[in-house]
Amino acid sequence: EAQVTQNPRYLITVTGKKLTVTCSQNMNHEYMSWYRQDPGLGLRQIYYSMNVEVTDKGDVPEGYKVSRKEKRNFPLILESPSPNQTSLYFCASSLTVSTDTQYFGPGTRLTVL
Amino acid sequence: SQQGEEDPQALSIQEGENATMNCSYKTSINNLQWYRQNSGRGLVHLILIRSNEREKHSGRLRVTLDTSKKSSSLLITASRAADTASYFCATDALGGGGGNKLTFGTGTQLKVEL
Repeated sequence: EAQVTQNPRYLITVTGKKLTVTCSQNMNHEYMSWYRQDPGLGLRQIYYSMNVEVTDKGDVPEGYKVSRKEKRNFPLILESPSPNQTSLYFCASSLTVSTDTQYFGPGTRLTVL
Repeated sequence: SQQGEEDPQALSIQEGENATMNCSYKTSINNLQWYRQNSGRGLVHLILIRSNEREKHSGRLRVTLDTSKKSSSLLITASRAADTASYFCATDALGGGGGNKLTFGTGTQLKVEL
């Protein structure tokens, strides 16, 4: 089944404790991205990747890192999480550039205490 | 600021009625997409309309695009309780720094009551 998977689905952590949210797609998509969703603000893009080893900042990249060493994986790293990063995070992928249909993962609900 | 802005923010209708949601955007676009999100879950693509298209249909969905007004509408006909969800438009700007990413609006929350 074609899908985007994220892990973990739920995470409660404390300020400053490094964490990684994994994202994997099995559709051989080139384009992958991370979004955060907050009430009243819609989805805001954090980082995106056009292909392996090619990443770029989205609208709200501060406090986040990403890497794209393999085509299927695009982990989101929070080196020192803070409470303002409490949010619902989505990974998405598409065949090529962002104009193609985006396939979204199920979401990761992160709480930083 | 958001490239896409949906209107209304919330909409409540009875089953069987039609639901219309609007999206306005600021800059010229390559295409506009509509997505649906059930509470707390991932977004699901509904329909894509290109800048040279004016209307598109998919099942009970009808999307229009007016590039002169920089606006789009999503019509759901004969709504069902299962249509209850949030609906988002997403735009991809022409050229420049906006060419590689979609920008989502804040969404319309639709509630269809029995």
